[in-house]
Amino acid sequence: EADIYQTPRYLVIGTGKKITLECSQTMGHDKMYWYQQDPGMELHLIHYSYGVNSTEKGDLSSESTVSRIRTEHFPLTLESARPSHTSQYLCASSELAGIGNEQFFGPGTRLTVL
Amino acid sequence: GEDVEQSLFLSVREGDSSVINCTYTDSSSTYLYWYKQEPGAGLQLLTYIFSNMDMKQDQRLTVLLNKKDKHLSLRIADTQTGDSAIYFCAERGGSQGNLIFGKGTKLSVKP
Repeated sequence: EADIYQTPRYLVIGTGKKITLECSQTMGHDKMYWYQQDPGMELHLIHYSYGVNSTEKGDLSSESTVSRIRTEHFPLTLESARPSHTSQYLCASSELAGIGNEQFFGPGTRLTVL
Repeated sequence: GEDVEQSLFLSVREGDSSVINCTYTDSSSTYLYWYKQEPGAGLQLLTYIFSNMDMKQDQRLTVLLNKKDKHLSLRIADTQTGDSAIYFCAERGGSQGNLIFGKGTKLSVKP
């Protein structure tokens, strides 16, 4: 079972609020990822990190920001939430290199912005 | 750029075999993956195959890779209602080594 955690699992919030989605992993993985998943299932990579102090933008442009101050922690922040940010957010981690480069996923945070 | 395509829906009867198909574009992909997502959960790695293999079998799961046609399939034997989920095909591509996911195939298993 993957040791990667996301909080909160569900969040309903009003427009304009600042929110932070938490993601932590206890596997010592260097690489971490944030995906946005549409209601229709498709996954979009929005941010990733190679390790501490590394943050990279993914394939889909996002108004969110991330930080990586500690190996195990990769929070995602929205400064001013809007209804268009309503989605499922999935965090994942993997080793930098290794057989299969398996990504382990957290359970996700379902965000609704009213 | 890299792209992964898969059909969106598949419906089978319990006990039948399910075959989920996927095509990819990056011929340099070294690994190809199948992930499963159950409702309200994250993705879970089911199996992966190295690009120099044609087939990999793991209990009820069989993965077939046709590298020439860039075609990957996942066969689930004796499909059960618990297999109902979304199945994602993915390839490891690009210089960053990130995974490129398909849009997912929703498998429905009817009793």
